[in-house]
Amino acid sequence: GENVEQHPSTLSVQEGDSAVIKCTYSDSASNYFPWYKQELGKRPQLIIDIRSNVGEKKDQRIAVTLNKTAKHFSLHITETQPEDSAVYFCAAPTNFGNEKLTFGTGTRLTIIP
Amino acid sequence: DTAVSQTPKYLVTQMGNDKSIKCEQNLGHDTMYWYKQDSKKFLKIMFSYNNKELIINETVPNRFSPKSPDKAHLNLHINSLELGDSAVYFCASSQKVVNRGAPYEQYFGPGTRLTVT
Repeated sequence: GENVEQHPSTLSVQEGDSAVIKCTYSDSASNYFPWYKQELGKRPQLIIDIRSNVGEKKDQRIAVTLNKTAKHFSLHITETQPEDSAVYFCAAPTNFGNEKLTFGTGTRLTIIP
Repeated sequence: DTAVSQTPKYLVTQMGNDKSIKCEQNLGHDTMYWYKQDSKKFLKIMFSYNNKELIINETVPNRFSPKSPDKAHLNLHINSLELGDSAVYFCASSQKVVNRGAPYEQYFGPGTRLTVT
């Protein structure tokens, strides 16, 4: 099955600076890599995802990069704002019909005003 | 309109009791899931149903029994509750993966915080 490792577990950055969260996966057949954001007391929500046929995807201040050779992908948040404070999860599907997502252990991001 | 809803939002009960959590989605999705999020925020899949059929059953004690009366509903019944069952339980839904294609976004419910005393 898929094994997803996520680092760091906690990250504090000054408002306006950039934040980077990294994940590695084990199953070379994985073809879809989403990132979910979970604010305190709320549900996880998809913020960006990337499919294996591209190396980078950007949506305003957030971007995801994928290195299939090295089996890792990263979330980049630029010009961080207080509302970016949350727990972020990466995920990757197993080769079980791709319906099962294995989530990383989460990164608690704190933006310091 | 709420896309994925769960009831109750909070559930406090004593060890040994039996309880149920209900989930409903109005997105027309074929696939529904139950996840458990523990105190360390680890998010682990428990079960997945595709159009009322069980397709994923992780290593979960058989005290946990999911039931899907139709593809819009996936309920979770827990027998003989234990202290370690305390967690937040999330229901989620997504479109069905076709022919081992790439998965679709999973939409999560608001969660049910279960506290076993």
